[in-house]
Amino acid sequence: DGGITQSPKYLFRKEGQNVTLSCEQNLNHDAMYWYRQDPGQGLRLIYYSQIVNDFQKGDIAEGYSVSREKKESFPLTVTSAQKNPTAFYLCASSVGRRGEPGYGYTFGSGTRLTVV
Amino acid sequence: SQQGEEDPQALSIQEGENATMNCSYKTSINNLQWYRQNSGRGLVHLILIRSNEREKHSGRLRVTLDTSKKSSSLLITASRAADTASYFCATVPTGTASKLTFGTGTRLQVTL
Repeated sequence: DGGITQSPKYLFRKEGQNVTLSCEQNLNHDAMYWYRQDPGQGLRLIYYSQIVNDFQKGDIAEGYSVSREKKESFPLTVTSAQKNPTAFYLCASSVGRRGEPGYGYTFGSGTRLTVV
Repeated sequence: SQQGEEDPQALSIQEGENATMNCSYKTSINNLQWYRQNSGRGLVHLILIRSNEREKHSGRLRVTLDTSKKSSSLLITASRAADTASYFCATVPTGTASKLTFGTGTRLQVTL
C-alpha cells in the first residue's frame, strides 16, 4: 500500500542533542512538507520541498534543518538551537509541483518528540 | 502564521445530529481543504474546494465556500461517534504553489 512512514513514533531528546526524524513516502509525490503541532494548536510549517535537492523555509524554520537527496525521503533534524522542541511533528506529501496547487496532502502518523 | 480560524473551537453533539464548523481566512486563495485528525494521529484529507466552486459534497460531508466573505463551512450530516475528531481547514493562498496554511481546528465530540 502506498503511504508515508514516519519514524520513530516517539523520540526523547536530551538537552543539547540533535535528533533526526525520518519521513519516507512511496506515493511518487514531488512535494514534501514538515509541520509542527503543539497541544491544542493548528499546524505550523517548518520546511517544504517541491523537488529533489531543493527546499524552502516555512514559517518556523529556526533550529531545524532538512535535506532532500531522494524523492522518497525528507528527513528533519531538530538541532540544539531549537529551544522548545517538544511537539508533535507531522510529515506530508502531495502531488503538487511548482505552480500546481490543486491537490490534497497525505500525512504520516507523526513523531512525538519530548525533551528530557 | 495562521491563515484560517475555525469556529467553534469545540463542539459537542449527539449521534444523529448534524455538525457545522466554520472557517474564516485572510487572503485570496486558490483552494480550501478540510482535514480530520483523530487524537494523536496524522491528518486525513476530507475534501478540496476550488476558489471558483461554491459547494461540494462527499458522502455525509458538505462544504461551502464564500470567497467574498473569505469563509467556508463544513457540514457533517447524521453524525456518528466515529466522527469524533479535530477538524482543520487549510488554504492554499494565491501564488504560494501548493503550500498549505492550516487553521486552529474545531474539536468535535459526538456522544451516543
